[in-house]
Amino acid sequence: GNSVTQMEGPVTLSEEAFLTINCTYTATGYPSLFWYVQYPGEGLQLLLKATKADDKGSNKGFEATYRKETTSFHLEKGSVQVSDSAVYFCALPSNSGGYQKVTFGTGTKLQVIP
Amino acid sequence: KAGVTQTPRYLIKTRGQQVTLSCSPISGHRSVSWYQQTPGQGLQFLFEYFSETQRNKGNFPGRFSGRQFSNSRSEMNVSTLELGDSALYLCASRTGGKNQETQYFGPGTRLLVL
Repeated sequence: GNSVTQMEGPVTLSEEAFLTINCTYTATGYPSLFWYVQYPGEGLQLLLKATKADDKGSNKGFEATYRKETTSFHLEKGSVQVSDSAVYFCALPSNSGGYQKVTFGTGTKLQVIP
Repeated sequence: KAGVTQTPRYLIKTRGQQVTLSCSPISGHRSVSWYQQTPGQGLQFLFEYFSETQRNKGNFPGRFSGRQFSNSRSEMNVSTLELGDSALYLCASRTGGKNQETQYFGPGTRLLVL
């Protein structure tokens, strides 16, 4: 079945540093890929998505490119802020009995210090 | 449009009791999925309901059950609570009409079992 491997956290960065959170996947076919973010005490919010190979999803300064050749969907941001401190989840849907089931990575906690 | 709402937000129970959690999806969404989130296991899929029918189920014991009403609202029940059931329970909704869709999450219900 489909699976997602995400880099372990926590990741601690200074404000304005460059961020990369690695995500690789195993899937049959070409599923959409998602990044979700979870701020402290809240549920998950969709951060960005890409629906096909070479697509770049972007939102709030974050970007991720769907790389079929390396089966990766790494999340990047050029200059992080304290408000970006959260847990980030890579995810992909898979078909189970004809219906969608979403597989999430283990999450990467990001802490940005001033 | 109102987002996904979950009630209650916090709950404290004792071992052996049962609990019912509620989720109201975004208007027009017919699919509701439930997830359990714990520090040790991460995000784990419980089940998905669509048009009042369970169409996907994760690997949880029969103590975990759910249902969906004709207005798409969903409830999740856990009977004979165990300490290990302490977790954040998230529900997510989507229209359910096709695969590869974005899921929209509620804020979660935090359950503490003493």
